[in-house]
Amino acid sequence: AQKVTQAQTEISVVEKEDVTLDCVYETRDTTYYLFWYKQPPSGELVFLIRRNSFDEQNEISGRYSWNFQKSTSSFNFTITASQVVDSAVYFCALPMDSSYKLIFGSGTRLLVRP
Amino acid sequence: DAGVTQSPTHLIKTRGQHVTLRCSPISGHKSVSWYQQVLGQGPQFIFQYYEKEERGRGNFPDRFSARQFPNYSSELNVNALLLGDSALYLCASSFGLVYNEQFFGPGTRLTVL
Repeated sequence: AQKVTQAQTEISVVEKEDVTLDCVYETRDTTYYLFWYKQPPSGELVFLIRRNSFDEQNEISGRYSWNFQKSTSSFNFTITASQVVDSAVYFCALPMDSSYKLIFGSGTRLLVRP
Repeated sequence: DAGVTQSPTHLIKTRGQHVTLRCSPISGHKSVSWYQQVLGQGPQFIFQYYEKEERGRGNFPDRFSARQFPNYSSELNVNALLLGDSALYLCASSFGLVYNEQFFGPGTRLTVL
C-alpha cells in the first residue's frame, strides 16, 4: 500500500535556526513523483517542489533544500536560517498508483519564534 | 494570472442539509481535483475531473458527487450532511492528468451543526 509518514507532528525553533522536516514514503511504483506543500494559517496549500524518483540529486532553492534518498524511501526538507514567515504546516505527498490522486502525510506544524 | 478560486469561503449548515461548493481552475488548466481536509490531518482525495469526465474517486460515500462544466469550473455536492463532513474542502487544478503539480485554492471551510 502507498503511504506517506511524517513522524514529526510539531517542531518549534527560534528564528535563524536550521530545521529539517522528515518524510518517509512507501510505494510499489518503480517510478514516481514526490511533492512538498506548505499550508500557512490562511489554509491554501502552496506548492513547493516536485521531485522525480529518477533524480536523486539534492535540490536547493534559496533557503529551502530537499534531500531525496531512494534507498531509505525518504524525502526530507530543510529550511536554512528559518524565518517567522516559515511558520506553517508542511505536507509531503505521493501520487497514488502512478495517478493524479495525491496521498498526503499528516503534516508537520512548524513554529518559528522570533 | 488568477489562481484557483473557490466559493464560498465559509459555510455553516445543519445535519441533513445539502451543500454545493464551487471551484474555478487556473486559466488553461483542464483538470480539477477535490480534497477534504479534516482538522489536524492531511488532505484526502475525493474526486478528479478531466475534460468534464470523472477520472477518479476516493473512498467517500455516494452522498458526495461532483461535476465539471465546459469552462472547466467544477462543483462539489454533498447531500445529507453529517457532523463528520465538517472540514476544509480544497480544490486543486492542474494542466494535465498525471504528474503535474496541482495548484490549490484557498478552500471552503464547511461547518455542520
